[in-house]
Formats: sequence, C-alpha cells, structure tokens
Amino acid sequence: AQKVTQAQTEISVVEKEDVTLDCVYETRDTTYYLFWYKQPPSGELVFLIRRNSFDEQNEISGRYSWNFQKSTSSFNFTITASQVVDSAVYFCALYNFNKFYFGSGTKLNVKP
Amino acid sequence: DAGVTQSPTHLIKTRGQQVTLRCSPKSGHDTVSWYQQALGQGPQFIFQYYEEEERQRGNFPDRFSGHQFPNYSSELNVNALLLGDSALYLCASSLRPGTHGEKLFFGSGTQLSVL
Repeated sequence: AQKVTQAQTEISVVEKEDVTLDCVYETRDTTYYLFWYKQPPSGELVFLIRRNSFDEQNEISGRYSWNFQKSTSSFNFTITASQVVDSAVYFCALYNFNKFYFGSGTKLNVKP
Repeated sequence: DAGVTQSPTHLIKTRGQQVTLRCSPKSGHDTVSWYQQALGQGPQFIFQYYEEEERQRGNFPDRFSGHQFPNYSSELNVNALLLGDSALYLCASSLRPGTHGEKLFFGSGTQLSVL
C-alpha cells in the first residue's frame, strides 16, 4: 500500500526562524517519485519539487532545501529564514503506478 | 499562458441533487485528473482522463463520473449528493500519463457545499 504521513499538523514560527516539515512515505515499489506542493489560502496547489527514487542527492533552491533519505523513507523540507509569505499548507506526495498519494498536510504559520 | 481554470468557484447544492464541475487544462497539457480535498485533509485522487477515456480511478463510488472533451477540457459529475461530498474539488493537468512522475498543475478548485 502507498501512504504518506505528515505527522506535524500545524507549526508556528516567528519570521526568520528555520523550520523543517517532515514527510514519511510507504511503498513497496522501487521506482517512485516524491513531491512537495504548497497550498496558499487561494487553494491552488503550487509545485515546489520533484524527486525520483534513484536520486538521493539533497537539493537547495534559495531558502528551500530538501533531504531525501531512502533508508528512513523520509523526504523532509526545510525553509531557512522563514518569511510571512511562507505561511501556507504544505503537502508531501508520493507518485507511483500513475497515481498521486498526498499526505494530510502541514499548516505553517509564520508570524512577523 | 493560461494555467488550469475551474468553474464555478463556489457551489451550494442540497442532498440528492446532481452537480457538474468544469476544468480547462493548462495549455499544452492533454491529461486531466480530479481530486477531492476535504477540510483539513490532503487531496484524494478521484480519476484521471486521457484521450477522452478514464485511465485511472481512485476509491470513489460510481456516483462520481467524468468526461473529457476533444479539446482536453473535462467535467466531473456527482450524482445523488451526500453531505459528505462537501469538499474542495481540484482539477490538475499534466502531459500524457506515464511512469515518469509527471508534474501536476492545479487549478484553484471548486468549493462544493452540500446542505
């Protein structure tokens, strides 16, 4: 069975703090993709990153970074020096067998 | 370059009624997927359309049906509405289905309330 778990329901930080959003996934397949999406209050999910199961190299994009560890089935997302505009719900998703499986999301509140 | 557009934005229906939601994919995309997002939950896959046929389906009853038109736009139909069908319905478009983890582009959704 495919499953994505985001144990952190809601996180509140003060602007400029670093924050890490956790994602743990389950799949028996060896070929799969992992994604992170951001959902602002407008409702539209915005793509952040895609990783395939054979690429465990960490990635950094500006203030965002992702840590993929197959040994622990985790794909964590870190925002450095958070800003108020980062406030949103963040979803981790697993893609295989032509289907997406989303976690329940983590709501991030960044306070000024 | 227009992104994914959905209509209507909001909809209020009563139990037992039927509803049709519409989606136009991002320019250049030929595959449309529909998702149901209940309050406080992640999107749940309903089905995917490609070449005017349903290619994949999630764990949703037959009350949920869809259609894709030759211009790649799509409709989601829900019959015999239940209170539990109240949710945000998201449409996502992508290039043809495959095994390469195609990136989904989402619309802003239709908020359906069933009273």
